[in-house]
Amino acid sequence: DAKTTQPPSMDCAEGRAANLPCNHSTISGNEYVYWYRQIHSQGPQYIIHGLKNNETNEMASLIITEDRKSSTLILPHATLRDTAVYYCIVRAITSGTYKYIFGTGTRLKVLA
Amino acid sequence: NAGVTQTPKFQVLKTGQSMTLQCAQDMNHEYMSWYRQDPGMGLRLIHYSVGAGITDQGEVPNGYNVSRSTTEDFPLRLLSAAPSQTSVYFCASSKLAGRTYEQYFGPGTRLTVT
Repeated sequence: DAKTTQPPSMDCAEGRAANLPCNHSTISGNEYVYWYRQIHSQGPQYIIHGLKNNETNEMASLIITEDRKSSTLILPHATLRDTAVYYCIVRAITSGTYKYIFGTGTRLKVLA
Repeated sequence: NAGVTQTPKFQVLKTGQSMTLQCAQDMNHEYMSWYRQDPGMGLRLIHYSVGAGITDQGEVPNGYNVSRSTTEDFPLRLLSAAPSQTSVYFCASSKLAGRTYEQYFGPGTRLTVT
């Protein structure tokens, strides 16, 4: 299964863009990259996912490098409510079934 | 839709006791899974299921059993609780159609084993 590597923590000023990197150098051609976040001790919340093209939705943008070995989640205008742990996940496929492997994530702190 | 529901929200067990954590979803999702999250750590996959009657092990399955008799329910059984199983347990579900759908997580069950 492809592993992901993320910095343990980051700070971002409120109103500025938050850029969260993720390394997934062993990703396979048919594996998707997913991003989730966990606010305080709630259940994780889906943000965005992509295969090889850049993606954007109402919450964030996902930039995947051409070789697919890394990606960046962009929160364009971070607010205090975006303070959370952000997880980058590669969706693993084993024996025709699917499972998600979470790492330790990046703890993003948005500063007023 | 209620989404993914988990009961109980909190539970205290003594070492050696058994119990079942309940998880239900009303979104007709094929895929369901259980994770545990220890303090300051990420989520670790315990067991998962891709449909009724089909289950498989995740990263940390020892000490836990699951079954999937219906699409809606996916209970997690602790056979003989140990202090090392003190954790927050999250249940999640998703569709499998198209194989790109996001997971929806429940609010979690906070379990303490003394």
